[in-house]
Amino acid sequence: DTAVSQTPKYLVTQMGNDKSIKCEQNLGHDTMYWYKQDSKKFLKIMFSYNNKELIINETVPNRFSPKSPDKAHLNLHINSLELGDSAVYFCASSLKGYPTGDKLFFGSGTQLSVL
Amino acid sequence: AQSVAQPEDQVNVAEGNPLTVKCTYSVSGNPYLFWYVQYPNRGLQFLLKYITGDNLVKGSYGFEAEFNKSQTSFHLKKPSALVSDSALYFCAVRVYNKFYFGSGTKLNVKP
Repeated sequence: DTAVSQTPKYLVTQMGNDKSIKCEQNLGHDTMYWYKQDSKKFLKIMFSYNNKELIINETVPNRFSPKSPDKAHLNLHINSLELGDSAVYFCASSLKGYPTGDKLFFGSGTQLSVL
Repeated sequence: AQSVAQPEDQVNVAEGNPLTVKCTYSVSGNPYLFWYVQYPNRGLQFLLKYITGDNLVKGSYGFEAEFNKSQTSFHLKKPSALVSDSALYFCAVRVYNKFYFGSGTKLNVKP
């Protein structure tokens, strides 16, 4: 009955590989997000989709490409992985994108290690 | 530019003592303020939020936060800390679609 679920939980891969992380929410929310948490626990938004439409695209290398097949899913594909991509990636969702103060619901994270 | 500052990387308190985790913010317009908690190997969990109204907001697990507009602060408090409160705490401000998070404060509650 997990509200926001992402897979895999752990991802270990070699530099140069391409990998994907999947996220699904069963809360009926309109907006989904990808956040990156670095080794110092700093959390930064990467992307946001509202009803399958990209609404936030922060300064992220174009090796990162989000895809939202429907409003319950937001996947993250990463091409040509680099050492600096190692981090924990969190998917999140909220009921409305704006302007209300609806809170975020987070998945449990995907720990990506690039060797 | 929007920003959130948590000046303490770590806060140590003894069980049963009151705790405060500090947060200040800088945003244009009226802020929507939040506190989240992160336990090891878990995603962030919502604790409480301030949108408007009373400056003292009560949240989950006995936590509360005080909004101070003049000091642009939103400190997290609890009257009596528990060992199980030990975790990483994040202050956040929402501006339109975006949440801006502080750098996190590790709370250690010792028995």
